[in-house]
Amino acid sequence: DSGVTQTPKHLITATGQRVTLRCSPRSGDLSVYWYQQSLDQGLQFLIQYYNGEERAKGNILERFSAQQFPDLHSELNLSSLELGDSALYFCASSVALGNRNEQFFGPGTRLTVL
Amino acid sequence: GEDVEQSLFLSVREGDSSVINCTYTDSSSTYLYWYKQEPGAGLQLLTYIFSNMDMKQDQRLTVLLNKKDKHLSLRIADTQTGDSAIYFCAETLGADGLTFGKGTHLIIQP
Repeated sequence: DSGVTQTPKHLITATGQRVTLRCSPRSGDLSVYWYQQSLDQGLQFLIQYYNGEERAKGNILERFSAQQFPDLHSELNLSSLELGDSALYFCASSVALGNRNEQFFGPGTRLTVL
Repeated sequence: GEDVEQSLFLSVREGDSSVINCTYTDSSSTYLYWYKQEPGAGLQLLTYIFSNMDMKQDQRLTVLLNKKDKHLSLRIADTQTGDSAIYFCAETLGADGLTFGKGTHLIIQP
């Protein structure tokens, strides 16, 4: 158990809909990262927040957004969903900024878009 | 660009050593990581190595880094059935997100 929690575990929805994935980082971790894992793209970094502020962006679509709240939990919002958005979405957390950057991953949310 | 490459599959006999290889392209990477993913689970951080090191050993795990060739390897000694998983190599330039390889499926033969 990494200490990172994600809800829900599974999500099934239809194209065009909007969903929110939630992540609680490990106690004391200020950085939260979101990743998407799909069969064709592999594991891709989406976005990072540090202490409430957006810190870095990866391959995140404009239809996707995220935020980190004062209690440090984070939400990833996916809108206008397409079939290709079906994937595992992971949240990871780390203590702080810096090169060492050991990231601890949550169990993931499996999103299925029908 | 940042690309991390790994072989897709590795099959070894139980009790033998497994060596999983990874090639990365960004010489600016400061830390390199190995993660393990078991079926239906998240990613577990196994070990990492700083770019100014050549080797790091942690119990059954040995990481070797050849910075000149941008080659990273993970050796698992005395491979057990519980080691069956997908192993991901990852690199980071710093505080940004990790760049992962596609993962190597380690298959253990009895």
